[in-house]
Amino acid sequence: DVKVTQSSRYLVKRTGEKVFLECVQDMDHENMFWYRQDPGLGLRLIYFSYDVKMKEKGDIPEGYSVSREKKERFSLILESASTNQTSMYLCASSPPGQGYSYEQYFGPGTRLTVT
Amino acid sequence: AQSVAQPEDQVNVAEGNPLTVKCTYSVSGNPYLFWYVQYPNRGLQFLLKYITGDNLVKGSYGFEAEFNKSQTSFHLKKPSALVSDSALYFCAVRGASGGYNKLIFGAGTRLAVHP
Repeated sequence: DVKVTQSSRYLVKRTGEKVFLECVQDMDHENMFWYRQDPGLGLRLIYFSYDVKMKEKGDIPEGYSVSREKKERFSLILESASTNQTSMYLCASSPPGQGYSYEQYFGPGTRLTVT
Repeated sequence: AQSVAQPEDQVNVAEGNPLTVKCTYSVSGNPYLFWYVQYPNRGLQFLLKYITGDNLVKGSYGFEAEFNKSQTSFHLKKPSALVSDSALYFCAVRGASGGYNKLIFGAGTRLAVHP
């Protein structure tokens, strides 16, 4: 079974802190994604990566950056945390876009609170 | 632009009754459609998908979904609801020509099954 793990389930940070959220997948997937989930808004894509060192902005990249130095690891960085970044953050991975199973596999999520 | 609509914020159903969670979509070309479930404080779990073929798709935990191209819908159904089905359900779509397996998610529908 595909396993996607995230470094923390719950995190509390102060405004202005630099925050790192880590995600690791064990299925050698090319694609990895970071979403934030807010009530009534569903999942919104922050960034995704389709290969090592490759990244693309999603729908809401402002205030975030990402890093993918190894295929299995995708990090989300909040350069200077703000209270409006309090949210549930979900990481996902998937095989390439064509000829594979297509679905994304999700980690358990990190609930981040910025005070 | 691709989009997904889940018109109901919440669906209430009595245990043992059939349930339906609605989803409509808009996408260029042929759609790839997915349903995910999220239990409290957990990541998303894949339930089922439609890629091509039979319009009635069967998935995990006794769920099924019917693809209706003319109505651009992909409603999730189960013949007999269980209290343990209570969770948050997300519909997602991507176009067949879309790259990197990017998915667009609906806002989610909370299913409450009452004993």
